[in-house]
Amino acid sequence: EIVLTQSPGTLSLSPGDRATLSCRASQSVDSSYLAWYQQKPGQAPRLLIYGASSRATAIPDRFSGSGSGTDFTLTISRLEPEDFAVYYCQQYDNSRYTFGQGTKLEIK
Amino acid sequence: EMQLVQSGAEVKKPGESLKISCKGSGYRFTSYLIAWVRQMPGKGLEWMGIIYGADSHLTYSPAFQGQVTISVDTTISTAYLQWSSLKASDTAIYYCARYSGYVNGMDVWGQGTTVTVSS
Repeated sequence: EIVLTQSPGTLSLSPGDRATLSCRASQSVDSSYLAWYQQKPGQAPRLLIYGASSRATAIPDRFSGSGSGTDFTLTISRLEPEDFAVYYCQQYDNSRYTFGQGTKLEIK
Repeated sequence: EMQLVQSGAEVKKPGESLKISCKGSGYRFTSYLIAWVRQMPGKGLEWMGIIYGADSHLTYSPAFQGQVTISVDTTISTAYLQWSSLKASDTAIYYCARYSGYVNGMDVWGQGTTVTVSS
C-alpha cells in the first residue's frame, strides 16, 4: 500500500503570503491519480486539484498543484482568509485509495 | 445540482447494528463510484471502501474489510454503509463521496453522518 506523508503538519502564515504544502509518496504514484482536498471545520472535504495539477470546478487560480513520481506540491500563491483550513493529498493505485495525514494551514 | 445527501446523526450502544445511507441526485448514479470515508474525532480522512453504481463491484480497504458492509440500491440511487455490531471505536463522522473517473478524484461529497457509539 502506498503511504502518503504530508509536510509540514502545521503551517502558520499570514493572509497574502505564499503557502507551499508537500505530499511525499512511499513509492511512485501515477500523477493522473493524485488529488488534493481542502477541509474547513465542520464541513465536508472539497476537491481542489486532480491529476496532480488540474484545478477542479470553481477553484480559484491562486491554487496550483505540481509534481510527479513521489513528490507533489500544492501551492497557494496569495493566501485569502478563507484558505485557512486542513489540506489532504490522496492517491489511487491498484484498487487502493489512500489519504495523507493532512496539513493544517493556520493564521499566524 | 449534483449532490449526495446522507442520513442523519446516530447514537448507538456497543453491539448494536446500524445502516446509514447516501442518496445521489442531479447526475447518473450508475456512471460513478461511491466511496465511504471515515473521520474520527480530530483526525484525518481514511478511505473505507468504494462501490460502483452500475454493477455493485466493491473494493474494501484492508483496514475495514470484514468490519463494515457497503452496498448500493441503484433503483433509488442510494449507497449504504452498515455495521452488524458497533464498537465505541466506530465513533466518527462518515462521509460518502462520488469518485469520478473523469477527474480521478472525489468531486462531490455528502454532508457527513455523525455516528456516536457509547454505553
